[in-house]
Amino acid sequence: QKEVEQDPGPLSVPEGAIVSLNCTYSNSAFQYFMWYRQYSRKGPELLMYTYSSGNKEDGRFTAQVDKSSKYISLFIRDSQPSDSATYLCAMSAREGTSYGKLTFGQGTILTVHP
Amino acid sequence: DADVTQTPRNRITKTGKRIMLECSQTKGHDRMYWYRQDPGLGLRLIYYSFDVKDINKGEISDGYSVSRQAQAKFSLSLESAIPNQTALYFCATSASPHGDLGEKLFFGSGTQLSVL
Repeated sequence: QKEVEQDPGPLSVPEGAIVSLNCTYSNSAFQYFMWYRQYSRKGPELLMYTYSSGNKEDGRFTAQVDKSSKYISLFIRDSQPSDSATYLCAMSAREGTSYGKLTFGQGTILTVHP
Repeated sequence: DADVTQTPRNRITKTGKRIMLECSQTKGHDRMYWYRQDPGLGLRLIYYSFDVKDINKGEISDGYSVSRQAQAKFSLSLESAIPNQTALYFCATSASPHGDLGEKLFFGSGTQLSVL
């Protein structure tokens, strides 16, 4: 079983829809949770970052962490064609005074059509 | 100019050949990483380096080697390429974390490698 599971999709939605992207994980030591967005033939770029449980909102994007269920989500409101990309969740655990390396999900391919 | 630059962008090689992928960064970060990306498998860590004298294996280091020539340069070598090393390779950098910031990676644009 992978440490981080993410539905690869693909997910296709109409413009203006609310999109929900999800990851589950098995390592209870994870405490830093991130979402990266990757456009075709580009490197991933950090989109959202949260620490521990709770919600974080940035414009049309909301990241949600539920540590009790080992489940994280990214919501995109009023989705736009420019949101079409692969979304990767990533997480890490603190290791002593240092920080663990990121473990990535498989990525979900999202297409928003006009 | 890109903060993290990878060369080449595309490479086609034959089984058994030695190849090198290069990465340079202008972000001033201490930490550098090499990942490979395969469809359905996400990003997997090959090697990482926290400073010039520090090299560490990731989860899939077999068949690869690295060299950290300077703070800004980190190269990945395939000593004898094989077809299942065909993948998209990414270099990434991060600053040493402060407080509770965790690790934030900045990626290059990738090298698409095909081994025939």
